[in-house]
Amino acid sequence: DTEVTQTPKHLVMGMTNKKSLKCEQHMGHRAMYWYKQKAKKPPELMFVYSYEKLSINESVPSRFSPECPNSSLLNLHLHALQPEDSALYLCASSLIPRDPRGYTFGSGTRLTVV
Amino acid sequence: KNEVEQSPQNLTAQEGEFITINCSYSVGISALHWLQQHPGGGIVSLFMLSSGKKKHGRLIATINIQEKHSSLHITASHPRDSAVYICAANTGNQFYFGTGTSLTVIP
Repeated sequence: DTEVTQTPKHLVMGMTNKKSLKCEQHMGHRAMYWYKQKAKKPPELMFVYSYEKLSINESVPSRFSPECPNSSLLNLHLHALQPEDSALYLCASSLIPRDPRGYTFGSGTRLTVV
Repeated sequence: KNEVEQSPQNLTAQEGEFITINCSYSVGISALHWLQQHPGGGIVSLFMLSSGKKKHGRLIATINIQEKHSSLHITASHPRDSAVYICAANTGNQFYFGTGTSLTVIP
């Protein structure tokens, strides 16, 4: 298995809803990442988990709450989002943190906040 | 100013044309990556370069470390090459992404 699997692929949620995005990999990668990408912009790093511990939080608002239950799974819990949070949320993983060989990206979850 | 600059931002080509996308970066790198993003969103890694040139099928990537410049070439372009191509500089601490080049290949 050489993939990063993200679910759901699309999500529409209201501003008062609570939802979660899921990311899974079975490549034995020990670093996992959440990125946010707005239309026609490059991905922006949100969180980094290294060996299941949160190592980087790029000043992300608390309405985004990451969780890494085990080395294969990464969640992003969403609560009280704003319409401007609508974006493509990409998960990525790498064998080791900051692996210069690069990351494996998932297909993303396209989130719309209404 | 972005750490990674790409040109052009948008590119339309006829099927069969030779395509070049350029990337300039201002940071010290451990590797330079070329990524492909299709409209569905997923990102696929095409090349990782630290020197010289790499070829995979119709795609060729080159890098000049002294000039801090890389190019991605597509020979005999095809409509299925239509995508956004992103250059990303890996400094060893983080990735800096370019803003992408949106390529459309017309049959």
